[in-house]
Amino acid sequence: SQTIHQWPATLVQPVGSPLSLECTVEGTSNPNLYWYRQAAGRGLQLLFYSVGIGQISSEVPQNLSASRPQDRQFILSSKKLLLSDSGFYLCAWSRGDPYGYTFGSGTRLTVV
Amino acid sequence: GENVEQHPSTLSVQEGDSAVIKCTYSDSASNYFPWYKQELGKRPQLIIDIRSNVGEKKDQRIAVTLNKTAKHFSLHITETQPEDSAVYFCAASKGHQLIWGAGTKLIIKP
Repeated sequence: SQTIHQWPATLVQPVGSPLSLECTVEGTSNPNLYWYRQAAGRGLQLLFYSVGIGQISSEVPQNLSASRPQDRQFILSSKKLLLSDSGFYLCAWSRGDPYGYTFGSGTRLTVV
Repeated sequence: GENVEQHPSTLSVQEGDSAVIKCTYSDSASNYFPWYKQELGKRPQLIIDIRSNVGEKKDQRIAVTLNKTAKHFSLHITETQPEDSAVYFCAASKGHQLIWGAGTKLIIKP
């Protein structure tokens, strides 16, 4: 069966510090991968998606970036965090077109 | 592009009553419509989905109906229970992507 792992679960970082969140999927190959952000009490904002190794599409211009160095690994990064980067970050995967997403357990990021 | 509107934003029902959440979409090419439940502090989880070649689908107390002509779909929860309290999101497919509604906070009153 397929599983998705996302870590860390909670992160408190100072303004201006770097960020690296990692997501890995097991039990499938060539998944579509997604990064979402959710502000408190709000909806799901798509940040990045990837349909293959090295292929990254950005939905929202900001100081975040994403990379997919391996087929089942998706990384969200920032060189310098802003207060507005605080939120609940969710990684998700899907089989493709169209299919439901399975979300990771999320990372709650607080920038202080 | 695809746009999904979800209503109401908050729904409060008495325990044991039914709840209905409605979504409309704009792109007639959309052919997959999932519903997700997100409990407080947790990840969204798929609870039911429907494809455009089907008009209705049921799974125990939950059902989804789809009206392709009117481009709207609804989530129905019968005999609501306290554990149904959560935020519910609808979505419509745009190729491999899902376009999300803004969410409905469902409150079950004891």
